[in-house]
Amino acid sequence: GQQLNQSPQSMFIQEGEDVSMNCTSSSIFNTWLWYKQDPGEGPVLLIALYKAGELTSNGRLTAQFGITRKDSFLNISASIPSDVGIYFCAGLPNTGNQFYFGTGTSLTVIP
Amino acid sequence: DAGVTQSPTHLIKTRGQQVTLRCSPKSGHDTVSWYQQALGQGPQFIFQYYEEEERQRGNFPDRFSGHQFPNYSSELNVNALLLGDSALYLCASSLGPGQGPFGQFFGPGTRLTVL
Repeated sequence: GQQLNQSPQSMFIQEGEDVSMNCTSSSIFNTWLWYKQDPGEGPVLLIALYKAGELTSNGRLTAQFGITRKDSFLNISASIPSDVGIYFCAGLPNTGNQFYFGTGTSLTVIP
Repeated sequence: DAGVTQSPTHLIKTRGQQVTLRCSPKSGHDTVSWYQQALGQGPQFIFQYYEEEERQRGNFPDRFSGHQFPNYSSELNVNALLLGDSALYLCASSLGPGQGPFGQFFGPGTRLTVL
């Protein structure tokens, strides 16, 4: 199956700092989604990207669909304690209807 | 506007038993996907239902089966439970093909523990 590599695996940052994480694939994807998951809950959709080069914002979050269509990036500006959680990328390849998920980036914000 | 709902919230079963999990999609959505999420890992795709049929299946054995009803709600059945089936089972709903953005919205999940 498709492999999505997310990095970094975990991050410990000070409140107010900016955060960057990325997701790479060995295959071309048509859609990229970014989710945040709190412990014991389902993932919450943050941003959806549908076109190569697309840059989309949702409040302090900004995500980009890589030009090669094999990667995507998520940035969080001015982090706050409630940003704590695990962030997952998910991609939909050219064929089929199956989303593939990354391994997750665990974010800890130190007040 | 109700989001995706799942029941039950938690479930404890023993090896060899069978379990049924339920999901109601977000209002207006007609496609339901099921995922298994082991502790510390990303969700793994089990299968997807659209128009009451299984459209695609991930790498899961036949012990995992499902159903979609005319009102778009769905069930996930797992037979002959194994210890390794212990996980958070997530349901995600979306619009069908060609109907708009392909964003998937998740429910809160069902935590299954197999003893």
